[in-house]
Amino acid sequence: EAGVAQSPRYKIIEKRQSVAFWCNPISGHATLYWYQQILGQGPKLLIQFQNNGVVDDSQLPKDRFSAERLKGVDSTLKIQPAKLEDSAVYLCASSLIPGVSPYNEQFFGPGTRLTVL
Amino acid sequence: DAKTTQPTSMDCAEGRAANLPCNHSTISGNEYVYWYRQIHSQGPQYIIHGLKNNETNEMASLIITEDRKSSTLILPHATLRDTAVYYCIVRVAGNYGQNFVFGPGTRLSALP
Repeated sequence: EAGVAQSPRYKIIEKRQSVAFWCNPISGHATLYWYQQILGQGPKLLIQFQNNGVVDDSQLPKDRFSAERLKGVDSTLKIQPAKLEDSAVYLCASSLIPGVSPYNEQFFGPGTRLTVL
Repeated sequence: DAKTTQPTSMDCAEGRAANLPCNHSTISGNEYVYWYRQIHSQGPQYIIHGLKNNETNEMASLIITEDRKSSTLILPHATLRDTAVYYCIVRVAGNYGQNFVFGPGTRLSALP
């Protein structure tokens, strides 16, 4: 079974530039998550999609971050403009529809490491 | 904020059992205990979960105290490949209105 795919794996940009990350979840997984992981900390949820609808984006800095999942499959996360404090690993995860899976296990991709200079 | 507290780091000898503690004194009756681990440069990986009974799978065992205020993840025979950050999380199963909240976890170092 193919896992969660993310690209690029690494990205270096200067502050005020824009950047986009791509995620392809496991086939059949309706729920998709984007997390931000700052060095030395645990992952923090940014946004959760159920199919192509947003379930929770309460921790997404909406003035600069945006995400979409237009066809309910793959997703993109964008930062525009980037700040120094956005340097982090951005993780994508997917899971079966909550309530169907008894424990809602999340499967994580390898992440994209963003460095903002 | 995370509802769990874990030691910052632990060492264990290769081949010996690794016992990782987690305190969750405010856990609710319908909240499960989940364990994930994150190996360097990879995304977190599910290990095990439980409600009130002890659980075992091919990766680990989970021991939950009778009052459910704490638990221990046991890796029976630690290897160098078990070196990772281990996260203990509590949440209601199957409720997508309540998501995983990761704390800083425990950094486990398996030593030769």
